Amino acid sequence: GQQLNQSPQSMFIQEGEDVSMNCTSSSIFNTWLWYKQDPGEGPVLLIALYKAGELTSNGRLTAQFGITRKDSFLNISASIPSDVGIYFCAGQSNQGGKLIFGQGTELSVKP
Amino acid sequence: DTGVSQDPRHKITKRGQNVTFRCDPISEHNRLYWYRQTLGQGPEFLTYFQNEAQLEKSRLLSDRFSAERPKGSFSTLEIQRTEQGDSAMYLCASSSGQYEKLFFGSGTQLSVL
Repeated sequence: GQQLNQSPQSMFIQEGEDVSMNCTSSSIFNTWLWYKQDPGEGPVLLIALYKAGELTSNGRLTAQFGITRKDSFLNISASIPSDVGIYFCAGQSNQGGKLIFGQGTELSVKP
Repeated sequence: DTGVSQDPRHKITKRGQNVTFRCDPISEHNRLYWYRQTLGQGPEFLTYFQNEAQLEKSRLLSDRFSAERPKGSFSTLEIQRTEQGDSAMYLCASSSGQYEKLFFGSGTQLSVL
């Protein structure tokens, strides 16, 4: 079945630093989405990407849809303590619109 | 603007008992998805509905699991004869179309003792 490999698994950074994480797939996706999840809560949508090569920003967050349609990355600039959480990439298949999720990147930010 | 609502937020049950969770999607959304998430993992797809029709079920959804969306609005997920391995966060999401964004609820955390 389809699988997403997300890396790194965890990151420990200093406040103010930039962060980069990525996701690769063995299959092509039509859409890539990035979510953030806090403990005990559901994932919250950060960015959605619809076209290969697309680069989209949401405040300090920037994400790109890879040209091959098999990968995506998320950058966070000038991290702040409230960026702490688990970030998930998700690929949306052409089979019913369901999402396939990566394993997550846990981000810790030291003030 | 009300988001996706799930009830209850937490459920503790004894092994062998039946449990039912409810999900109320965003009102104009015709697609509703159920996911399961265990600690340290990403959400895993269970099933989805378009209006009242259940269009796909994952192999993760054993015979003990059943989901309904009788009027194309809210949905219920029932687990019969719960097992300790069923302990997880059960997430509901909705979207307005096949390639539209999925919005998630806060989830129901199930603990089976």
